[in-house]
Amino acid sequence: DTGVSQNPRHKITKRGQNVTFRCDPISEHNRLYWYRQTLGQGPEFLTYFQNEAQLEKSRLLSDRFSAERPKGSFSTLEIQRTEQGDSAMYLCASSLGGAFGEKLFFGSGTQLSVL
Amino acid sequence: GENVEQHPSTLSVQEGDSAVIKCTYSDSASNYFPWYKQELGKGPQLIIDIRSNVGEKKDQRIAVTLNKTAKHFSLHITETQPEDSAVYFCAAKAPSTGNQFYFGTGTSLTVIP
Repeated sequence: DTGVSQNPRHKITKRGQNVTFRCDPISEHNRLYWYRQTLGQGPEFLTYFQNEAQLEKSRLLSDRFSAERPKGSFSTLEIQRTEQGDSAMYLCASSLGGAFGEKLFFGSGTQLSVL
Repeated sequence: GENVEQHPSTLSVQEGDSAVIKCTYSDSASNYFPWYKQELGKGPQLIIDIRSNVGEKKDQRIAVTLNKTAKHFSLHITETQPEDSAVYFCAAKAPSTGNQFYFGTGTSLTVIP
């Protein structure tokens, strides 16, 4: 098991373009999270999947953002009509879950720069 | 929703000294408090966690304490080493907020050899 994998590591795009990121979680993990992190800040929750079902979505998440996890394995995060304010590190995390708490395992992230 | 505050934002210590990072939270229903270490260009890595039914937890040079009454928790690193230099984040999770983790703003720790 090599941990959570994210691709690409870096993405540079022009404003108005669409971008898609991929996350491959740890194989036996049924929960998958997307977070966004800007410089000097902690990760900010975007959305959460349990298996293939998207159970939670941040109220701060613009309609330009969409995420899928079609077979309960890998996930994609798409940003349409990118804006400069979308520039950030996009982190994926997975976990087994648990009744009381859970241990999140993060990938190395995708650094997005919107020019 | 939950609000997590973290102090200090930067911390420099001499190698071998101890480092303490403090966090406060607002939601008294929060029941799980992990700490993450993030190195440059990498994602956060879980280093220790504590549940609300425990007051203290230790793992080698790292310990976490929790005061539920005051709603604060702290990370203690003893005998610091240069490889401890990184950004550390605290987080809190409450059942009332579903499966969201709320993170602090991070502490940049520098261990001076």
